[in-house]
Order: sequence, then structure tokens, then C-alpha cells
Amino acid sequence: DQQVKQNSPSLSVQEGRISILNCDYTNSMFDYFLWYKKYPAEGPTFLISISSIKDKNEDGRFTVFLNKSAKHLSLHIVPSQPGDSAVYFCAASDSGTYKYIFGTGTRLKVLA
Amino acid sequence: DARVTQTPRHKVTEMGQEVTMRCQPILGHNTVFWYRQTMMQGLELLAYFRNRAPLDDSGMPKDRFSAEMPDATLATLKIQPSEPRDSAVYFCASGPRTGDGYTFGSGTRLTVV
Repeated sequence: DQQVKQNSPSLSVQEGRISILNCDYTNSMFDYFLWYKKYPAEGPTFLISISSIKDKNEDGRFTVFLNKSAKHLSLHIVPSQPGDSAVYFCAASDSGTYKYIFGTGTRLKVLA
Repeated sequence: DARVTQTPRHKVTEMGQEVTMRCQPILGHNTVFWYRQTMMQGLELLAYFRNRAPLDDSGMPKDRFSAEMPDATLATLKIQPSEPRDSAVYFCASGPRTGDGYTFGSGTRLTVV
């Protein structure tokens, strides 16, 4: 049972445009969410987080939106750059355990 | 920069052999995770520890996998006997209790032939 789903395995975006990566979850106990970025042959690196008390968190070019009623979050990258090309994972947990469940990832390709 | 160190980086072994993967978490981090990356499942949580105590290993096949933290500087993941379906990249991550900023190691790429 996949509790965290990233339904788009891949996404291509032109440099300078917006990239929108989506993530859905099923467990209503989840109240803390992370996005990680992964380059080939490296471990994932932390990008941005959001807790359920917020519906938006911004860090430079990266913004995460949370829609609790829809159990949906999205990561916006504006403007997209070729160096953003990587696999992006969303992860969710409840704040009692911080046991993170990851999605299957979305491969983003930013075209120059 | 503080790093999570995983050894070996690559391991090729024959089916039936024992495999041990090691992880040195960042000093001071009290939470350690083991994840496995596969094409179909993404990053699967295998086990995690807090203050060296196992909190959850429900993601591991119990009959062949075991995870331990003999001390605060070492976490191990063992597979015995290994099978071809265990071929994957295994990641260790460590972090503070509060959740943000879990740091992943570079992974161990395991191939079982």
C-alpha cells in the first residue's frame, strides 16, 4: 500500500519556466512533509519542508504548497534551471515519530 | 561538511552469500534510517533507530535482513542469505529528532548474481 504517491514518473520543462511536481498521500495522520532532490550516484539531499499548520513555505526559487483537505502537496520551482534536473522525492510523516515514508520520485529534466 | 559515510559503495555478491553494509551517522545525530531504492518502490523504509534503539523494522524481510546499532558511530544492515531480488541501492540517513535536515549517505549499490 503506497501511502505517498508521485504519479508522474517524469517531467520536462524549459529553462526559465515553472516546474510543478506533485505528491499525494493517503494517511491523514501525516502532518510533516519534506522534499528531497537526488542526483545520480548520490544520496538524496534535503530541499524544503512544510508542516500541516501551514499551507505554503517558500525558500528562494522553491515553494511547497500543502492542501490538507485534498491530501496533496506540490513543489514549485521558479525559474527552473538546468542544474535542477534531478529526481525529486516527497516524504511524509507524523510529527510523533518522524518516520518518513517516501514517494517513488519524479525525474525532472530542465531543457536549456 | 558533516557527512553520513556508507561502506562499501559497491558490492557484487553471489546468491546465498552474507552481505553486511555499514553506516557511520553524523556525530550527535540520534536518529538513523535505512532505506532501499528500487525502480518500482522508490525509497522504501527498511528500519529506523533512535538513540540506538530499533523503533521500527517492519519494512524489512525478517527472515533474511537484520539491522543493528552496536554503538552510536555505527549502524549495520545485514542480509543473509542474499537473493537476486535484493539488488538495489541501500541508503543510510541520520538526523536530529525533530525531522528537518535528515542527511543521507551516498548509498551502497548491491548486486546479487
